[in-house]
This record gives sequence, structure tokens and C-alpha cells, in this order.
Amino acid sequence: DIQMTQSPSSLSASVGDRVTITCRASQVIGTSLAWYQQKPGKVPKLLIYAASTLQSGVPSRFSGSGSGTDFTLTISSLQPEDVATYYCQKYNSAPRTFGQGTKVEIK
Amino acid sequence: QVQLVESGGGLVKPGGSLRLSCAASGFTFSDYYMSWIRQAPGEGLEWVSYISSGSSTIYYADSVKGRFTISRDNAKNSLYLQMNSLRADDTAIYYCARAWRGADYWGQGTLVTVSS
Repeated sequence: DIQMTQSPSSLSASVGDRVTITCRASQVIGTSLAWYQQKPGKVPKLLIYAASTLQSGVPSRFSGSGSGTDFTLTISSLQPEDVATYYCQKYNSAPRTFGQGTKVEIK
Repeated sequence: QVQLVESGGGLVKPGGSLRLSCAASGFTFSDYYMSWIRQAPGEGLEWVSYISSGSSTIYYADSVKGRFTISRDNAKNSLYLQMNSLRADDTAIYYCARAWRGADYWGQGTLVTVSS
């Protein structure tokens, strides 16, 4: 099975900082990669699909890039409401594995 | 608007069984694959299973294979997860999700606790 590895596992940044989270697949998955945001005590929310397409209603400060095995989620200017855990997920085939998550906090 | 509402969670003893349901509305249920995804307390997300629109394609995570069965009733706009031989490490919030673009809509989840 393909493994999904996120880094870092947690980060602390200041409001307004550019934040980058990476997700690496153990085999090529094309662009079948989604990113989710889960705020504390809330249901996960789809942010980005097809590696780089912003889901409707998601602020434009979020962006995704990558293909093949290496992917990136970028928050261009971190806001207090972005405090959350972020997950990547492959969905090209089963099992539709998630990364282990990256917890983002405000410094 | 799309709504997914899970039910059927609760406390069950190890080795016991439970059947989760997910009622879907606001979209043409029979057009979409559907997934179950779970999250153990304080842990990350774990994909559990998905089922194709017509039930012809079904996959499970290795951790539940042989114990869990996913099914759907398109006439009732409902998704199910039959969970047998439950173990303590099955304790989690179980989410129903529409399996489009990954998982574009999620229910609020139902808590399953396996404990003696």
C-alpha cells in the first residue's frame, strides 16, 4: 500500500507568516491528492482537491501544488482562524490513505 | 444543501457488534461513491471503507477487513457500516463522507466506544 508522509508534524508561526506543509507519497499518485483542515472539535473540511484546485468557498490564501509523489499546501498569510490540523489524502485508488496530520499553531 | 447524518454509535463490549447508518440528503445519492472514515480520540484520520454508487466496488482498510461490511440502499438514500468482532482499537468517531474529490462532504460523526 502507498504511504502518505506529512512534514512537519507540527509548526508554530506568526500571524501573517507564509506557512508550508509537505506531503510525500511512497509511490506516484498523479494529482489525486486532497488537503483537509480540521479545527479543534470540528469536522474535517475539504480545502483542496486534485492537488491544486481550491474547493469552493475556501480563502485564496490557501494553495496547493505538486504531482507524482511530492505535494505542498501553502498558507500565504497565516490568520488566527487557520489554527487547525491539516491532513493530506490520496484518492487515486484504495486504500485512500491519509497523512498523519500537521498541527498549525500561532506563535 | 448536502447533509449527511450518522447514527447508531454507542458503547459496546469487545467482541460485540454495531451497525452505523448515514442518511444522505441534498444530492443524488445514487450518483456518488461513499466512504466511512474514522478518528480515534486524539488521533488522526483513518480511511475505513468505500462503496461505489451501484455497490459493485467495495474496499476496506486492512485494519477492518473481514470484520466490517459497508453497504448502501439507494432507494433510502442511506449508507451503512456493519461492525462485528469489535476491539478496543475500533473506538473512534465514525464519519460518513461523500467520496468525491477525496471527501467533499462529511457528516458530524457518531462515536463508537468499545469497552468492557
